[in-house]
Amino acid sequence: GAGVSQTPSNKVTEKGKYVELRCDPISGHTALYWYRQSLGQGPEFLIYFQGTGAADDSGLPNDRFFAVRPEGSVSTLKIQRTERGDSAVYLCASSSSRQPGNEQFFGPGTRLTVL
Amino acid sequence: AQSVTQLDSHVSVSEGTPVLLRCNYSSSYSPSLFWYVQHPNKGLQLLLKYTSAATLVKGINGFEAEFKKSETSFHLTKPSAHMSDAAEYFCVVSEEAGTALIFGKGTTLSVSS
Repeated sequence: GAGVSQTPSNKVTEKGKYVELRCDPISGHTALYWYRQSLGQGPEFLIYFQGTGAADDSGLPNDRFFAVRPEGSVSTLKIQRTERGDSAVYLCASSSSRQPGNEQFFGPGTRLTVL
Repeated sequence: AQSVTQLDSHVSVSEGTPVLLRCNYSSSYSPSLFWYVQHPNKGLQLLLKYTSAATLVKGINGFEAEFKKSETSFHLTKPSAHMSDAAEYFCVVSEEAGTALIFGKGTTLSVSS
C-alpha cells in the first residue's frame, strides 16, 4: 500500500515569503506528526494531530509556523515570513492507534531552502 | 523528561566485521524504544522497536538491539557489516502512543571494503 507522501520534495523560496508544505498520511492513520530535521541533527518534533485537532503543538518554534488538518487526513504546514534559519528538511509521519508502541511511518520529507 | 544520547557521532567498520552503535536513554516511564535508519536522500526507515515485550529485539537486515533497564541502554548491533549498511542511524524514545518521538543526534556508520 501507499506510504506517507509529501509534496513538494524540494522548495526554494526567498526570505520573507510564505510557503505551504503538504503531507498525505497512510490511509486510515488517525495520528499525524510534523518534524523538522536540520543539517547534521536528528528530527525535532513540531506538532501532532489526532484526527482534525492539534493535540500537541508545543514544538512549533514561533507563531510564524502553523499547521492544519481540516478533514483528518491531509495536513498542511504553513510558514509565514520565512527566514534563512527555517531551511531544513520537514518530515511528516503518521501512525495508527492500533499500532503497538508508538511506531510512526515517515514520508520522504520536503527540503526547504530559504535564500 | 525524555532524552536520548547516542554516544558516538561516527562509527567506522570494515565489511564483515561487527557493528555496535551505542544509545542511552532517559525516561520517567516505561518507554518504547526504536532504531531508525536514514540512507542518503531517503526517508527514515524503522529498523526495530522495543515495546516492553522481549528485551532482545530483532530487526530487519540482521540488526538487533537489547533493552537493558539497569543500564538505561538500547545498543544496536549486527554481527557482520555490509557495504549497504552505511547510513545515518537514530536511536529514538517515546513514552506512549500519541506523543512525539525524541530522536538522538544520530550516528553515521561508514563501512569500508
